[in-house]
Amino acid sequence: DAGVIQSPRHEVTEMGQEVTLRCKPISGHDYLFWYRQTMMRGLELLIYFNNNVPIDDSGMPEDRFSAKMPNASFSTLKIQPSEPRDSAVYFCASSSSEGIPQPQHFGDGTRLSIL
Amino acid sequence: GENVEQHPSTLSVQEGDSAVIKCTYSDSASNYFPWYKQELGKRPQLIIDIRSNVGEKKDQRIAVTLNKTAKHFSLHITETQPEDSAVYFCAAVAKESNYQLIWGAGTKLIIKP
Repeated sequence: DAGVIQSPRHEVTEMGQEVTLRCKPISGHDYLFWYRQTMMRGLELLIYFNNNVPIDDSGMPEDRFSAKMPNASFSTLKIQPSEPRDSAVYFCASSSSEGIPQPQHFGDGTRLSIL
Repeated sequence: GENVEQHPSTLSVQEGDSAVIKCTYSDSASNYFPWYKQELGKRPQLIIDIRSNVGEKKDQRIAVTLNKTAKHFSLHITETQPEDSAVYFCAAVAKESNYQLIWGAGTKLIIKP
């Protein structure tokens, strides 16, 4: 079975540019989570969706961050404009509500560097 | 809301010895406790989990124990090997927090040859 698929795996861009991270959850999973991981702050939950609807976005650091889930098989996390402090590894994870609670399965992450 | 504390932050053990990582949680409604392993540069991967109706679960060299009364759970790794070196995260899930994972801060496990 295909796991959670994230793209790109690596992104290097200059400050002020728009960055779009993409995620395809595991088929049949109805929860999708976006995390950010840094050495300083560890693993932080940014936002999560249930059935394509954002449930809790309290972890989104600023208005520069936005996330969408237009359908059950695709989500994006956008940063506009990007800043050097946004440099981190961004993980997407998905889980199923069947027989809840169920474990979250992580993608390989996007390593983002803002110069 | 739920809070999960994890200890120690770093654990160094001799290869072949056992390692124990402990977590405590605050919400008595939490009913699911997964453990994740994250190797350097890789994604967190589920290694074992336990539900609140079970006190212990074992999978080869890995075991997890749960004490609901004391609200703590532990990861036990026996006969440690170099490939066990990683950061381990515990987490707790409660219906009241809409089933989102509340994470511990992580334990860096170092296996000394």
